[in-house]
Amino acid sequence: DQQVKQNSPSLSVQEGRISILNCDYTNSMFDYFLWYKKYPAEGPTFLISISSIKDKNEDGRFTVFLNKSAKHLSLHIVPSQPGDSAVYFCAASAREKLTFGTGTRLTIIP
Amino acid sequence: DSGVTQTPKHLITATGQRVTLRCSPRSGDLSVYWYQQSLDQGLQFLIQYYNGEERAKGNILERFSAQQFPDLHSELNLSSLELGDSALYFCASSFGPSPYNEQFFGPGTRLTVL
Repeated sequence: DQQVKQNSPSLSVQEGRISILNCDYTNSMFDYFLWYKKYPAEGPTFLISISSIKDKNEDGRFTVFLNKSAKHLSLHIVPSQPGDSAVYFCAASAREKLTFGTGTRLTIIP
Repeated sequence: DSGVTQTPKHLITATGQRVTLRCSPRSGDLSVYWYQQSLDQGLQFLIQYYNGEERAKGNILERFSAQQFPDLHSELNLSSLELGDSALYFCASSFGPSPYNEQFFGPGTRLTVL
């Protein structure tokens, strides 16, 4: 049972444009959501998070939006840069553990 | 560099064998988490230790076991290996016991079972 889903395995975006990565979840008990970024041959690194009491959190070029009624969150990267090319995982927590999605490979085209 | 180290980087072994993966957390971190990433899968949480005690358990098979030692390093033992156990195994650490604490990931151990 995949409780956190990233339905787009890959996404290509022109440099300078906006990248939007999406994530859906099914467990209404999730109360904390995170995005991790992963380069090849490295472990995931934390990018940004949001609590379920908020609907938006910003950190520089990265903004995460949470729509609890739709059980949907998205990560916006503006403007996209070549160094943003990586696999992005969304994750959700319900007290005990993190549940990860399968990842979206983002490619920024120069 | 996250400060989390994992050894070995790569491991190739045969079905039925037993292997041990090792993780050293960031200095000062008390929690260690183990995750498995199979091909085209997300990271599957296996188990968490906090300050030497098991804290949370995920989808860990009975053939797998882990422990955290007094110096806080952790080992994941995989036995009676099957082809399907081939995966990337990540260790992560955090200061506190809660999954709300930021987790810092090691580079992973790639296990290949032939």
